[in-house]
Order: sequence, then structure tokens, then C-alpha cells
Amino acid sequence: AQTVTQSQPEMSVQEAETVTLSCTYDTSESDYYLFWYKQPPSRQMILVIRQEAYKQQNATENRFSVNFQKAAKSFSLKISDSQLGDAAMYFCAYRSAVAQKLVFGQGTRLTINP
Amino acid sequence: DTAVSQTPKYLVTQMGNDKSIKCEQNLGHDTMYWYKQDSKKFLKIMFSYNNKELIINETVPNRFSPKSPDKAHLNLHINSLELGDSAVYFCASSQAGGGYGYTFGSGTRLTVV
Repeated sequence: AQTVTQSQPEMSVQEAETVTLSCTYDTSESDYYLFWYKQPPSRQMILVIRQEAYKQQNATENRFSVNFQKAAKSFSLKISDSQLGDAAMYFCAYRSAVAQKLVFGQGTRLTINP
Repeated sequence: DTAVSQTPKYLVTQMGNDKSIKCEQNLGHDTMYWYKQDSKKFLKIMFSYNNKELIINETVPNRFSPKSPDKAHLNLHINSLELGDSAVYFCASSQAGGGYGYTFGSGTRLTVV
């Protein structure tokens, strides 16, 4: 079974600085997708960024980018120019190319210090 | 228009009661899901339906029963509620195929007293 591990329960960063959230996963499959979701205090789950495992190029969405290391099974999220509105729980998630299930990590609570 | 809508948003009930949570999506997705988020924020899948057919049924007590009248609706009925059922329940939907992320509803916070 696939597992996703986020080893940082909490992180904090100064506003306008850069922070990186870590995620590792375990799978025997070669074709899969990885996601980062954000859950602010409003509780809504918001898709931040996705990465296809077959693509070597790291995904980027504005201030959010990933460092995808397939051999190491690592998928970290970098947030540049952190803003107060980035404060939230961040979840890393894995989805097989053939299965429907999205498997989540334990989450990292990100605090932005003004 | 809300893409995935859940009702109610909050539910407080006594132990032993039966309750339902409703979910509707207007995205035309084929697959819908129920996830449970516990007090530690961990998200775990409970059920998944594809075009009204149950395709994922994780280890969930029989007191939980999903029902999908059509592919746009997935309801969750819970019998004989227990204190440990207190959690946030999320409905989600996605297109078929692993490359698509889920679109989540806003969650239902269930409190059993």
C-alpha cells in the first residue's frame, strides 16, 4: 500500500521569506501523480499544485513550486515570498494512475510571522 | 455556483442517534468520495462511488452506509452514532483517471455528545 509521510508537523516563516515543506512517499508503481493541498482555518481543501511522475520538470504555480525527486520518492513544496494568507495546514497527497484513491500525508501546519 | 456542496456544515447530535450528510456536485465528475478528518487533521478515505457503483469501501463500521442515487449525489448515513464518530467529513469528486485531483466540499463538522 502507498504511504505518504510529512515529517514536519509545524513550520513557521517570516512574511516575504521562502519556506520549504517536505514530503516523502512509498510506492512500487511507476505511474502516479502527486499533489499539495492547502487547508486554511476555513476548513476548505484547496488544490495548490500537482505533479505527474512521468514529467521530469518540476511544476510551478506562481509563488508555489515543487522539487520532485522520483528516485528518492521526495516531493517538497517551496513557497516564495510568503504571505499572511499562506498560513494553513498543507497536505501532500499521492494518487496512483490506475487507482481512484488519494492518499494523504499527516499534514504540516504553516505559520506566517508578520 | 458551488462545485461540491455538502449539507449540513455543522451537526451536533446525541449518542445513539441516526444522521445523514448530503453531498452534491455540479462538475459532471464520474467519481465521488467520502473522507474523514480526525482531530489530528489526518484525512482517510471511507468510500468511493463511480457512476453510482461502490468502488472503494475501506475498513469502516457497518453503521456507516453511503448511498448514491445518481452520479451527482453521494450521501452518507450514520446509524447509532458514537462519541468516536466526531470528526469533519469531507465529500469530494473527481474525473476518472489518476491525474486529476479532487474537488472538495467545505466539510461537515459532526459532534456527538
